[in-house]
Amino acid sequence: GDSVTQMEGPVTLSEEAFLTINCTYTATGYPSLFWYVQYPGEGLQLLLKATKADDKGSNKGFEATYRKETTSFHLEKGSVQVSDSAVYFCALRRNTGNQFYFGTGTSLTVIP
Amino acid sequence: DAGITQSPRHKVTETGTPVTLRCHQTENHRYMYWYRQDPGHGLRLIHYSYGVKDTDKGEVSDGYSVSRSKTEDFLLTLESATSSQTSVYFCAISERLAGGQNTGELFFGEGSRLTVL
Repeated sequence: GDSVTQMEGPVTLSEEAFLTINCTYTATGYPSLFWYVQYPGEGLQLLLKATKADDKGSNKGFEATYRKETTSFHLEKGSVQVSDSAVYFCALRRNTGNQFYFGTGTSLTVIP
Repeated sequence: DAGITQSPRHKVTETGTPVTLRCHQTENHRYMYWYRQDPGHGLRLIHYSYGVKDTDKGEVSDGYSVSRSKTEDFLLTLESATSSQTSVYFCAISERLAGGQNTGELFFGEGSRLTVL
């Protein structure tokens, strides 16, 4: 079945460090891919998305590229801030359905 | 912010008692979802709805039922709560595109923390 695997956390970085959170997927066909972020005490919110191979999603300095050949959608940011501390979820949705499949989440803490 | 309200936000109950969680939206979105969030498992889909009275099971539906009698309300019921259902429950909504599929963006409520003793 469809699934998403993302790197285990927690991740702790110093402010202005480079961030990579790995995400790979298994799916039938060509799914749409998403990164959601959850700040403490809140629900998830969409960070960025990509709907086809080689698309790059970007938002708030974060970006991820849909790589069909490696079935990956790694999240990157060049310089993290304390305010980026949150849990990040990779997710997919088949283009023939309405269900979303989430990874287990990666907790990021950025220290000053 | 999307108008999604979950109630109650916190509940402590005992094993064997029935529990109903309510999700109310003011966005008139067609799709509504119930997820549970547990450490090490991320978010797992319990049930979802694609219209009034139209619902389907997700990957962890055992022990849960849902109802949607109005567009704006989606109820999740635990008929007889068990300790394994202690979790944080999130409702989410999504809009429908002209072709029938959702837009790909989920809007989440703030969550309902349920503890079953």
